[in-house]
Amino acid sequence: AQTVTQSQPEMSVQEAETVTLSCTYDTSESDYYLFWYKQPPSRQMILVIRQEAYKQQNATENRFSVNFQKAAKSFSLKISDSQLGDAAMYFCAYRSAYQAGTALIFGKGTTLSVSS
Amino acid sequence: SQTIHQWPATLVQPVGSPLSLECTVEGTSNPNLYWYRQAAGRGLQLLFYSVGIGQISSEVPQNLSASRPQDRQFILSSKKLLLSDSGFYLCAWSVLDRQGATEAFFGQGTRLTVV
Repeated sequence: AQTVTQSQPEMSVQEAETVTLSCTYDTSESDYYLFWYKQPPSRQMILVIRQEAYKQQNATENRFSVNFQKAAKSFSLKISDSQLGDAAMYFCAYRSAYQAGTALIFGKGTTLSVSS
Repeated sequence: SQTIHQWPATLVQPVGSPLSLECTVEGTSNPNLYWYRQAAGRGLQLLFYSVGIGQISSEVPQNLSASRPQDRQFILSSKKLLLSDSGFYLCAWSVLDRQGATEAFFGQGTRLTVV
């Protein structure tokens, strides 16, 4: 079974600085998808970024980028120019590409606080 | 565009009472549907998923059940709630794209407190 591990329960960053959230996963599959979700205090789950395992190029969405290391099974999220609105819980998630109905498997999350 | 509705937003129920949480999706057909639970300070635990009407897969044995009476409707139920059922419940959907799968889109969630 696949597992997702986020080893940092809490992280903090100053406004305008850069922070990296870590995620590792365990799988025997070669084709899969990885995601980062953001859960602000409203608790609405918001997709931040998505990475297909067959793509070597790291995904980027504005200030958010990932460092995808397939061999190491590592998928970290870098937030550049941090803003107060980035404060939230961030979840790393894995999804198999082999079965259409399979659900996302989530890590336990990292709470990010941003100070001015 | 697709939208997902989940209700109620908050619920306080006594131990031993029944539960029914409802989720509907608009703007798409034949979605995959999911129920997750998020306990305080913890990650999301998959409870049930469904790939079609009447097709339910259970991930965690417990006193909860799920049903999918219509293509875009997903219901989470319990006959008798336990204190341990308290938590934040999230409904989600996804569909296949050309690459085989999409991310999951989530409802607003239901905060359930069993007293």
